[in-house]
Parts: sequence; C-alpha cells; structure tokens
Amino acid sequence: EVQLVESGGGLVQPGGSLRLSCTASGFTFSNYWMTWVRQTPGKGLEWVANIKQGGSEKNYVDSVKGRFTISRDDAKNSMYLQMNSLRAEDTAVYYCAREGREAAGFDFWGQGSLVTVSS
Amino acid sequence: QSVLTQPPSASGTPGQRVTISCSGSSSNIGSNYVYWYQHLPGTAPKLLIYRNNQRPSGVPDRFSGSKSGTSASLAISGLRSEDEADYYCAAWDDSLSGWVFGGGTRLTVL
Repeated sequence: EVQLVESGGGLVQPGGSLRLSCTASGFTFSNYWMTWVRQTPGKGLEWVANIKQGGSEKNYVDSVKGRFTISRDDAKNSMYLQMNSLRAEDTAVYYCAREGREAAGFDFWGQGSLVTVSS
Repeated sequence: QSVLTQPPSASGTPGQRVTISCSGSSSNIGSNYVYWYQHLPGTAPKLLIYRNNQRPSGVPDRFSGSKSGTSASLAISGLRSEDEADYYCAAWDDSLSGWVFGGGTRLTVL
C-alpha cells in the first residue's frame, strides 16, 4: 500500500525556518517525481515545488524561489522542503504527493502538515 | 488570482448531472494534459481524472473529463451527497515551468 507521511510542521515566527519531511512507503520511491502542494487557510491548492528522480531537476513556484529548497534522499525514501525566510502568507497545510508515471497526475497524497507563520 | 479559472461554486440535486469548467491558456491547458482532484476538508486530495479524461481505478464512471482547446470540464452524473467537496483542475504550464491549479469549485448537493 502506498503511503506518504509528512512531518516537521509547526509554529514559526516570520523570518524563521522550518524543514518538512515526507516519508514514503509501498512503492519504489527512486522511480518517481515527487511534489509539494499547499493549501492556505480559506483558499485553494497551490503547487509549491517538485523534484525529479535522483534530484537532478527541481522546479518552484515563483513565490518561494530563493527561500524554499526541495531535496530528496532515495536511500531513506524521503523528500524534504527546507523553508527559510518564512512569511505569514506561507501559512498553510503542506501536502507531499507522488507524480504518477506516464503523466498520471498526483496519484497519491499524504495527509498534510500544518505550518503556521506568526509572531 | 489562479492561472486556471474555475467557477467558485456549483450545485445540484441528487441524481442530477453537473459540470465544472476550467479555463486556461495555450501554455497550460492548450498544450498539456488536464487533471482533476477532489478535496474534502481535513483529508488528502484525491485524483479523479488524469490525462484529460482517464479515471484511476476505483473512481466511479459517474465522473468524466473532457478538454477542448484551452478549456476543460469535469462532469459528474448521478449526483450523490458524498460528492459534496471542492474540485480543482490542474495542468503543467510551459511558460511558468510549474504546475498550476484552478481556484477550486465548491460543489453543494442540495
């Protein structure tokens, strides 16, 4: 059974840092693109970043470029999102998701991790 | 402002057919596949439609997707109370080099 579990969320002050983790099981993690998607309070889903198998290619939404860094450790079946210079508008539930092969979309999602940026 | 445009709300009665539209541009829907996700508050989003009109295993055939030019739509037939949720369209955007979502449509089953 495919499972994705996020961890590392919490309360952080503006300008602070936080590192989210996503631990995968039930599939060959190294064979898949992985992605982070967030949902801000009262708003919709927003794609944040994704990373190719092996980590050789990464993409980010403009609003987090230069502040967030996506990475992965295939030996640990894990993906990470290092978030620096956090702003109030980064407050959201952050989901990790698997990008299915052959353009199959975000076919499995974690339950989400809440990040609150507030003083 | 979302890159893909969806109506904020839709509604229908049990058994009815409802459609949700998603409008984009040549750099996203016009040149790439469209995906649809169902999201109930407090739960993980669920993939409903991939590659414009394909259903993952386990998704009822009451759900169908279509695409024409720079627009797409999700149709739900035989509406049921458990279909009450938020629905999002998504596509890869070549100009932004990233995924883009619609603003979401809240479906109410009256």
